[in-house]
Amino acid sequence: AQKVTQAQTEISVVEKEDVTLDCVYETRDTTYYLFWYKQPPSGELVFLIRRNSFDEQNEISGRYSWNFQKSTSSFNFTITASQVVDSAVYFCALSENSAGGTSYGKLTFGQGTILTVHP
Amino acid sequence: DAGVTQSPTHLIKTRGQQVTLRCSPKSGHDTVSWYQQALGQGPQFIFQYYEEEERQRGNFPDRFSGHQFPNYSSELNVNALLLGDSALYLCASSKRGLYTEAFFGQGTRLTVV
Repeated sequence: AQKVTQAQTEISVVEKEDVTLDCVYETRDTTYYLFWYKQPPSGELVFLIRRNSFDEQNEISGRYSWNFQKSTSSFNFTITASQVVDSAVYFCALSENSAGGTSYGKLTFGQGTILTVHP
Repeated sequence: DAGVTQSPTHLIKTRGQQVTLRCSPKSGHDTVSWYQQALGQGPQFIFQYYEEEERQRGNFPDRFSGHQFPNYSSELNVNALLLGDSALYLCASSKRGLYTEAFFGQGTRLTVV
């Protein structure tokens, strides 16, 4: 069974600090996809980043970067120079292939990390 | 381009009643998934619909059922409501055949009293 663990329940930082959100996953699949979503108070889950299991290259996208390490089953997410608008709940999620193997199947989410950025 | 829309936004029901939640996927998307998110928890997968059929199902009882219409919109039905069914119900849409991210609606907040 798939499992996603976000050990950090809450993180509080001051604006402009860098913050890293941890995510550890379990899966028996050899092909899988990892995601980070942001959930502001409005409730909608906003897609941030995606990584597939074949590509361990770490990238930077604006203020966001991620560190995918297959050897330790970790997919950590970093926000550089945090801003008050980054305050939200952040979810790490894991997806297997759908039954047809042509799109994402169900997403398994972690418990979420509440990030509060103070001015 | 309208994103994923869900209705209603809030709903209060009594134990034992039945409820229907609705979802219209993002334009161009044909796959709809439903998730239940209890307060302080991550979303839990209920089921996924494609071509008007349930394709995958999570660990939810048969009281939870769904439907997808020819225009790809979807309904989630919950019978014999329990207090524990109180949650935010999220709909996500995606395009089958393309490995793109799922887009989520703002959810329906269901309160069972």
